[in-house]
This record gives sequence, structure tokens and C-alpha cells, in this order.
Amino acid sequence: DAKTTQPPSMDCAEGRAANLPCNHSTISGNEYVYWYRQIHSQGPQYIIHGLKNNETNEMASLIITEDRKSSTLILPHATLRDTAVYYCIVRVANTNAGKSTFGDGTTLTVKP
Amino acid sequence: DAMVIQNPRYQVTQFGKPVTLSCSQTLNHNVMYWYQQKSSQAPKLLFHYYDKDFNNEADTPDNFQSRRPNTSFCFLDIRSPGLGDAAMYLCATSAYPGPSGRDNEQFFGPGTRLTVL
Repeated sequence: DAKTTQPPSMDCAEGRAANLPCNHSTISGNEYVYWYRQIHSQGPQYIIHGLKNNETNEMASLIITEDRKSSTLILPHATLRDTAVYYCIVRVANTNAGKSTFGDGTTLTVKP
Repeated sequence: DAMVIQNPRYQVTQFGKPVTLSCSQTLNHNVMYWYQQKSSQAPKLLFHYYDKDFNNEADTPDNFQSRRPNTSFCFLDIRSPGLGDAAMYLCATSAYPGPSGRDNEQFFGPGTRLTVL
């Protein structure tokens, strides 16, 4: 699985958009980009994933650059409950078990 | 609601005393994973089961074992816990195979925090 690089921490004002970047310059053509988040003392929670097209769901949007070497997770209106560690993971889907290798993640702090 | 359940949420054991952590799921997923997460670190995969097939990560110590008696349950056995094994242990599940990346989404339980005295 390709390695990812994320900033260790970010702050965001409540109600504003939070844009979390991730670099995955060694991504392969069959690797997906997944985002999970982990709120303190809880298990990680799936947010969104994509291959090459931008994706949106009820939680967030995922923007993947055309060369697929980086992506941005967008939380459009951050709330205090979005304070968490956000993990960007790159892996091949439909391989044996689809296991995730977690990087260091970004600690997002949403401030009032 | 379908979910991944881990019991207990907090477990205290003594140095060297065997301990078993439990995970159950109502999702009917065929893959189950165990991760170890130490304080301020990312989760680290220990092993996973694809149905009954056990897959150990290369760097998982022999001290850690697992059992999966049926689809719904999976156990993590630590044969002789050391102080360095104190961590949060996360169980996760996923469905495989699937036609798209979404089928490999992992569902995580709340974790069991293990303290070794």
C-alpha cells in the first residue's frame, strides 16, 4: 500500500470549512483513497473514499487531484464534534481482506 | 443496529497473566481484524481472518494469538502480557469481495483498553 503524508495538526473555526490535505505521490492505478476519523477513545469511523473522481456524501467531500498524487478531505461546516484525528489511507480494494495501514493522521481541532 | 461489539471496554491484567479480549459482530462480514493502538499512535494491524483463514502480520509477536470460532465472534489472546502490551485493542470487520472500494470499508468497534500491572 502507498504511503501517505499528512500534516500532524490543524485548527478550524466552528462553522467554517475544514480542508485536510493528504499526499500520496506513490499511489498506484488500482489504489483507492480512504478517509477515516477517530474521535478520542473511540474506534475509527469511515468517512469517504474515492478512486479518481471527486466524491461527496453526507459527511464530507473528497477532492482528488488529476494526477492522483494528493487529495483533500473537506468538512463543509465544521462543528466541535468534528474534533478528531483524521487518517488518509491508500489501498487496493478487492484484495485479500482490504486491510488498512494507518499513517500518523492529522489532529483537527475545531474551535468555537 | 448492525454493529461491532467489544467486551470488555476496559481490561486490567497482571504482568504475565493470560488475557482474552472479545469481539462480536452483527454485520455478517467475512473478514475480521485486530489492531493494536498505543497512546498517541495510529492503529497497527496485528492479524486478520478471512473467513476461517488466519493471516498474521509479519511483525506481530508470537505472544499474540487469535481464534475465530464462527462468523460472529473473534478473540484476541495475549499469552503473557508485558507492560509494553498496554494499549487500546480495536476489532474491525469488512465484507469481501465486492465490486467496488466501498465493499472493503472497515467497521470498527469501540475498542478495549488493556492495562497491565
